[in-house]
Amino acid sequence: ETGVTQSPTHLIKTRGQQVTLRCSSQSGHNTVSWYQQALGQGPQFIFQYYREEENGRGNFPPRFSGLQFPNYSSELNVNALELDDSALYLCASSLDGSYEQYFGPGTRLTVT
Amino acid sequence: GQQLNQSPQSMFIQEGEDVSMNCTSSSIFNTWLWYKQDPGEGPVLLIALYKAGELTSNGRLTAQFGITRKDSFLNISASIPSDVGIYFCAGLKYGNKLVFGAGTILRVKS
Repeated sequence: ETGVTQSPTHLIKTRGQQVTLRCSSQSGHNTVSWYQQALGQGPQFIFQYYREEENGRGNFPPRFSGLQFPNYSSELNVNALELDDSALYLCASSLDGSYEQYFGPGTRLTVT
Repeated sequence: GQQLNQSPQSMFIQEGEDVSMNCTSSSIFNTWLWYKQDPGEGPVLLIALYKAGELTSNGRLTAQFGITRKDSFLNISASIPSDVGIYFCAGLKYGNKLVFGAGTILRVKS
């Protein structure tokens, strides 16, 4: 069984730029959630995708957007990057109907 | 901001000791999950709790879903060096939005 994978592992961007992060869900999992984890804090829910549609969103502005593909993989896009967007971005997958979310290793984004 | 309060914020214990940590909230949750995160890694699911009063074990770990549904506890028995890491509680009210605490940092002195 393949676990959740994310790419890239690290990324450095400049303020104002745009970034795309990628996630492949665990084998058989059809639901993907994205979280932002600032240094020294717990993860914060950004949004979830199920059946290629956004299925719930946390308190993040519209410049955070996402996609889910037919193979259940997902992308997180962030436009107009700000310094405060520097964080570890985590993707978690789960099976429809299950509350157990399994996390990938994350993408460390640094905005300068 | 965070709605779950985890305590203690950090602990430094002797190898072989038992460890207790807890998570409290002012509101009710329907599901509690406990995760462990190592440096540079994503959180790993340790235990899931679905029912008030439920007590569940996973090896040396035992977690309980509080009767009031506003709290949860995690105990680690006979700690070992690899228990080092950050432990997060996460609660789910309904739907899909997991709410995480700020974490308890565990350091073990060998």
